[in-house]
Amino acid sequence: DQQVKQNSPSLSVQEGRISILNCDYTNSMFDYFLWYKKYPAEGPTFLISISSIKDKNEDGRFTVFLNKSAKHLSLHIVPSQPGDSAVYFCAASVPQAAGNKLTFGGGTRVLVKP
Amino acid sequence: KAGVTQTPRYLIKTRGQQVTLSCSPISGHRSVSWYQQTPGQGLQFLFEYFSETQRNKGNFPGRFSGRQFSNSRSEMNVSTLELGDSALYLCASSQDRAGPVGTEAFFGQGTRLTVV
Repeated sequence: DQQVKQNSPSLSVQEGRISILNCDYTNSMFDYFLWYKKYPAEGPTFLISISSIKDKNEDGRFTVFLNKSAKHLSLHIVPSQPGDSAVYFCAASVPQAAGNKLTFGGGTRVLVKP
Repeated sequence: KAGVTQTPRYLIKTRGQQVTLSCSPISGHRSVSWYQQTPGQGLQFLFEYFSETQRNKGNFPGRFSGRQFSNSRSEMNVSTLELGDSALYLCASSQDRAGPVGTEAFFGQGTRLTVV
């Protein structure tokens, strides 16, 4: 049972344009969501997070939107840069009692073309 | 502040052998989690340790085990290796959650295990 899904395995975007990555989840107990960027043979790098008490969080070029009623979150990268080419994972966690376990989506490979 | 350190970076083992991987978390982080990444299954949670106790466990066979020491360093062990255990093993360290807001996990560079 895949509780976190990224339905787009890949995304190609022109440099300078917006990249929009989507993530859906099924577990209504999730209350904290994160986005990670990953290069091959390296560990994921934390990008941005959002708590379920918010619907938007912004950090520089990265903005995450959360729609709890739709169980959907998205990551916007504006403007996209060639260095953003990587695999992006969304992840989710449940409240404190369950520790820090993260459930990851399958990832979206982003290619930013110069 | 030093990041998460995993050793070794690469490892080649033979089927049936056992392997131990090591992880040193960020200073002050008491939670250490382990994940397995494979092309077909993505990032799968193995287990989490907090204050030397296993707090969470994923759906992996008993051949996968771990422990945490008093300095928060953690090791994971895989016994009787199978070809399917070939993967990138990632360690993540976190501060513990405080209240309703979650906390980020910071990952090491991983150990690439190849079983032949």
